[in-house]
Amino acid sequence: DTGVSQNPRHKITKRGQNVTFRCDPISEHNRLYWYRQTLGQGPEFLTYFQNEAQLEKSRLLSDRFSAERPKGSFSTLEIQRTEQGDSAMYLCASSSWTGDTEAFFGQGTRLTVV
Amino acid sequence: DQQVKQNSPSLSVQEGRISILNCDYTNSMFDYFLWYKKYPAEGPTFLISISSIKDKNEDGRFTVFLNKSAKHLSLHIVPSQPGDSAVYFCAAGGYNTDKLIFGTGTRLQVFP
Repeated sequence: DTGVSQNPRHKITKRGQNVTFRCDPISEHNRLYWYRQTLGQGPEFLTYFQNEAQLEKSRLLSDRFSAERPKGSFSTLEIQRTEQGDSAMYLCASSSWTGDTEAFFGQGTRLTVV
Repeated sequence: DQQVKQNSPSLSVQEGRISILNCDYTNSMFDYFLWYKKYPAEGPTFLISISSIKDKNEDGRFTVFLNKSAKHLSLHIVPSQPGDSAVYFCAAGGYNTDKLIFGTGTRLQVFP
């Protein structure tokens, strides 16, 4: 297993367009997280899944954002009608259980909205 | 509100010396704390963690200290190496929250 994989690595889009990102977690991990990181800030929690169930969503996740994990494996994060403020690094992480154990992060998708 | 704070945006240390990165938190309900290292254009990489029931955890050159009464933790790197130059994030989590709260990071530069 090569770890958490995110695609694409970079995405440039025009304001108002829709974008979709994909995350493939470590195969035996049942928890999957999405975070967003902007310049000078730490990663901010967006949402997380346990298997296919979306258990928590941050208030940062506006109605234009939707995430799915249809079969409890890979996940997608879609942003509709992108705005310049959506420009950020979108990070996916996975873990096997809750506890004092680490979440493993992918390399992220850098979104630039022009 | 910023529940996890890293008040030093940057730190510069000479190779071979000790690097000390600090982190403060406000929520006494956190159950565990982690340190991540991040290089540019990459995702954070886990370094070391500590449970709230412990006050020290050591892994090679990395040691994390937790002072619960002060709501403070620190990461010690000794000896520091140029490859340690990166941004370090402190993160906190709880068994009833299932997500990590990150600080804003400290950029460490280790010079020869």
